[in-house]
This record gives sequence, C-alpha cells and structure tokens, in this order.
Amino acid sequence: DTEVTQTPKHLVMGMTNKKSLKCEQHMGHRAMYWYKQKAKKPPELMFVYSYEKLSINESVPSRFSPECPNSSLLNLHLHALQPEDSALYLCASSQPRLAGGNTGELFFGEGSRLTVL
Amino acid sequence: SQQGEEDPQALSIQEGENATMNCSYKTSINNLQWYRQNSGRGLVHLILIRSNEREKHSGRLRVTLDTSKKSSSLLITASRAADTASYFCATAPWGGSTLGRLYFGRGTQLTVWP
Repeated sequence: DTEVTQTPKHLVMGMTNKKSLKCEQHMGHRAMYWYKQKAKKPPELMFVYSYEKLSINESVPSRFSPECPNSSLLNLHLHALQPEDSALYLCASSQPRLAGGNTGELFFGEGSRLTVL
Repeated sequence: SQQGEEDPQALSIQEGENATMNCSYKTSINNLQWYRQNSGRGLVHLILIRSNEREKHSGRLRVTLDTSKKSSSLLITASRAADTASYFCATAPWGGSTLGRLYFGRGTQLTVWP
C-alpha cells in the first residue's frame, strides 16, 4: 500500500474546464514532486517543492499550476488543457536530500489518470 | 535529454530464470535508482546505489554501477510471474541546481511466464 494518496484516480475534463489534482502524504517528507507519464513512456518531472517552496519548474506550460498549501499536501491546478495533456499524473514525496547530498528514494502515489476531451 | 536508456526495451522469460536489465546514462550522477511499475500503477522504489558504490544487493535483486562507462545493470534472480512489470532506472545528477531532479530512463518491460 502506498503512503502517498492521490485523488481523483480518474478525471475527464473538457478543454475549457478548471480542475485540480490532489496529493497527500503523512511520512513527514519535506520534498514533493509532480511527474507526468504518457503511455509506454518514462515519467517526466514537472515540479518539485522543497519545504513548501517551489524549487524546480521544468518549463511546464502555465495551464498547469502547482500549489503546496502545507508540508503534507500538494495540488496541481489544471486550466485550459489540451488533449495532448492526457496522461497519468504521478505525485511523489521524499526527504529533500540524502545526508551529504542529493535526491534520495521517491515514494509515489498511484497516480491520477487524466483525459482531456 | 538527460534520460537514461534501458536495454532491452522488452524481456520475456520463464519463471525461475534470471532477468538482466541494463541502463546507460549521460551525465555525472550522485546516485542511480531502480523502480518498478505495474501496469497503470505508481512506481515502487527498489534500490539506490551511490556513485561511489559498485554493487548492491537487496533480496533477489543485484545492482551494479560502472561510472566510467556510465552504466548500471539490474539482475533479478529466480524470477516469478509476480515480477512482471516495467522497470526503470533513474539518475540523480550532481550539482546544486539539480537537487531534487531525478531523471527516468525509458524502461524495460519484463514478462515472466509461469
């Protein structure tokens, strides 16, 4: 069982809709991530929050807007999406860095499968 | 692209056989990680190997790392049907500006037949 919970599991939206994906973790992790994964492709990093501050934005279009209200929650607000944005959106969390270094183990949620019509 | 390349893209074996997957990458790394993903599900972390380590074991998993060749391999011994999944390597690059970045390779789809 994953300790990172994502809702909703499935979302269908039109190109003019506004919706949000939610992610919650209670492991005390202070880094949280959004990844996008298309079918049969690897996950692609979108955003990283470290200590509730946005630290990485991988040149993601502004129709995706992340928000980290507190250390346990991460949202991804969606507006005016395109059909090519249909994908599995994965949330992950981790400790911000390994002792002495860098990105450690990520804990992933089960994902939110988004379909844009 | 900083993504790694896994080889082979697909691997089909019988239960009890060993499965070996390879990963090559382009940049200097702090560590390399392997993840598993069942179809349409989230990723599960398997093992992390740091750049100053050459080999690591976890249960039926054995990971090697050759930083001079920028490559890693994942060996699953005595495979089971339940090992059927996609396996991804992921690299954590060096450098302050890259902290928090983890780049995934294209993955190997492993099918284990009973």
